[in-house]
Formats: sequence, structure tokens, C-alpha cells
Amino acid sequence: GAVVSQHPSRVICKSGTSVKIECRSLDFQATTMFWYRQFPKQSLMLMATSNEGSKATYEQGVEKDKFLINHASLTLSTLTVTSAHPEDSSFYICSARAGQGGNSPLHFGNGTRLTVT
Amino acid sequence: QKEVEQDPGPLSVPEGAIVSLNCTYSNSAFQYFMWYRQYSRKGPELLMYTYSSGNKEDGRFTAQVDKSSKYISLFIRDSQPSDSATYLCAMSKTGNTPLVFGKGTRLSVIA
Repeated sequence: GAVVSQHPSRVICKSGTSVKIECRSLDFQATTMFWYRQFPKQSLMLMATSNEGSKATYEQGVEKDKFLINHASLTLSTLTVTSAHPEDSSFYICSARAGQGGNSPLHFGNGTRLTVT
Repeated sequence: QKEVEQDPGPLSVPEGAIVSLNCTYSNSAFQYFMWYRQYSRKGPELLMYTYSSGNKEDGRFTAQVDKSSKYISLFIRDSQPSDSATYLCAMSKTGNTPLVFGKGTRLSVIA
């Protein structure tokens, strides 16, 4: 089945530094990828939609200058958390559709747990 | 009212029991319905994917959608301790729009 790989699985960084998270579709091409954020015991909240070759679409309340998204190829999207602060500590998960249209469900990576100290 | 409502549980059942998980929603435009299973510190894993109303069965799992009532269900037969996880319902208006998730139900199957 479709596989989405996310790296790193866990990262600890100091406040003020930037962290890059990679999301790869391993056996399919994804023109669109989605980035979610999940707090403990909470559901997934969509942060942004990453579009290959164009600017990402951010959900209301998500700072685009803080969460930089680059979707440079059909198999790779990156999320960079810039000038991270402790309140950015969370579980970040990317997802992609293996195909177009309604018969293509969303598959998720295994997430990246970010801890900002 | 939230778009998708899901009882967070926790729900604890004995091994072998039939588990019923449910979500309600308010937006009648939703047409695609999914159930995901999420183990601790892992990404969600797709279990079931249905379009519009009806039932879908896959092994021990059965998904039901009742659009008239805006109500979806996931049934797990012969539950196993390995089924212990958080189950998230999700839905979207079209096949390409972002998903809206429920909060997830934590399930524990006790051996």
C-alpha cells in the first residue's frame, strides 16, 4: 500500500532555533500534501496544504512565516519551524493522497515529535 | 457545535467483545468518511474508507454511514488486545479537500 515516510521521528531543539521536518511519498507521487499538528489527547488540526510547485495554503491562525512549507518535488514536502519556542512543542504529522479524486484516501506519516526547550 | 463530534472515551472492553465507535457531524456536505487507528506516538493508520451512505466490511471491521442522521459507526468484532488504540473518525466534502477529524476515542481491550 501507499507509504508516507516522515523524518525525523523525534527532535529536541533549543528555543530560537529552526527545525526542518521532511515528508516523503515513497511509492507514489503526491501533488498535494497536508501538514497536521496534534497536541496530547487532542485530534489532528490541519495547519496547511502543501502544493507541489506553488505556495502552500495555510489555515486560519497558522503563521506562514513561522511554519515554512516547501513542496519542491512530487515526492517531498518539508515543514520548517522557524525560531521555535516551547509552545511549538507538539506532534507534527504529514499526509498525502495516493492518487487523485475521491478514491484516494489520505495516508499519514508516523509523525515528528518536536520538543523545544 | 463542532463539525465532528466523537466521544473521547476511554472505552474499555474485554477481549472478544464487539466494539461500537461512533461519530456525529453537522455538515451535510460531507461525502467521504474514514476511520483511522492511531497507536501511541504514531501517525494515524487508515482502517476504512467509505463514500456516501451504506456499509463496508473488511475482516473484523465494519463501517456504517447514515447520511440522513449524520452519523457514522465503526464496529470491531472479536476485539483483540492489539486493537487497543485511539480511533479517529474523519470526513471530507470531496475526495480532494482536507479532512475534518473527530477528537478520537481511546479503546482498551483487556485480555
